[in-house]
Amino acid sequence: KQEVTQIPAALSVPEGENLVLNCSFTDSAIYNLQWFRQDPGKGLTSLLLIQSSQREQTSGRLNASLDKSSGRSTLYIAASQPGDSATYLCAVRGSNTGNQFYFGTGTSLTVIP
Amino acid sequence: ETGVTQSPTHLIKTRGQQVTLRCSSQSGHNTVSWYQQALGQGPQFIFQYYREEENGRGNFPPRFSGLQFPNYSSELNVNALELDDSALYLCASSWGLGAGGSGNTIYFGEGSWLTVV
Repeated sequence: KQEVTQIPAALSVPEGENLVLNCSFTDSAIYNLQWFRQDPGKGLTSLLLIQSSQREQTSGRLNASLDKSSGRSTLYIAASQPGDSATYLCAVRGSNTGNQFYFGTGTSLTVIP
Repeated sequence: ETGVTQSPTHLIKTRGQQVTLRCSSQSGHNTVSWYQQALGQGPQFIFQYYREEENGRGNFPPRFSGLQFPNYSSELNVNALELDDSALYLCASSWGLGAGGSGNTIYFGEGSWLTVV
């Protein structure tokens, strides 16, 4: 069974700092990996989708990388802002584990003004 | 704004009761997945519907059941509610076969908060 781990569980940084969130998964047979943002009490907002054949995706200040063979992905946030404060979740869809996404427990990010 | 709408947003039920949660998928999406997210945890896959048929199920008992309608909207039904069913229930829609089809992004609604007392 696919297991997804996110480190750190919580992170607090001053505004303007660059930061990296980590995601690891146990089964490298994946179709894709997706990063989401979740604000308190809200649903999930998709940030970036990386296909298994891709190495990275960028959107604005966000950059996500994927190393499928080592079972790792990182989400890089440049020049963090207080509005970036949220929980960040990564999810993988396996190529031999049906149609579900497996989620990590998330990294809770606080950006201090 | 993802175009995925869920109702109700919050509800409180008593142990042993039954609940129905509803989801309207984003226009053009024919696949709907349901997830349960307990407090402080990541979402857990319940099941998925593609063109009105169940197309994958997670590790949830049969008292969790669902439907998908011809317009691709969906319902999640939970019978004999237990205290541990208290969670945020998330609906996600996408296009194509499977969650994410051929790699498409899935879009989540805001969820339905269920409290069982």
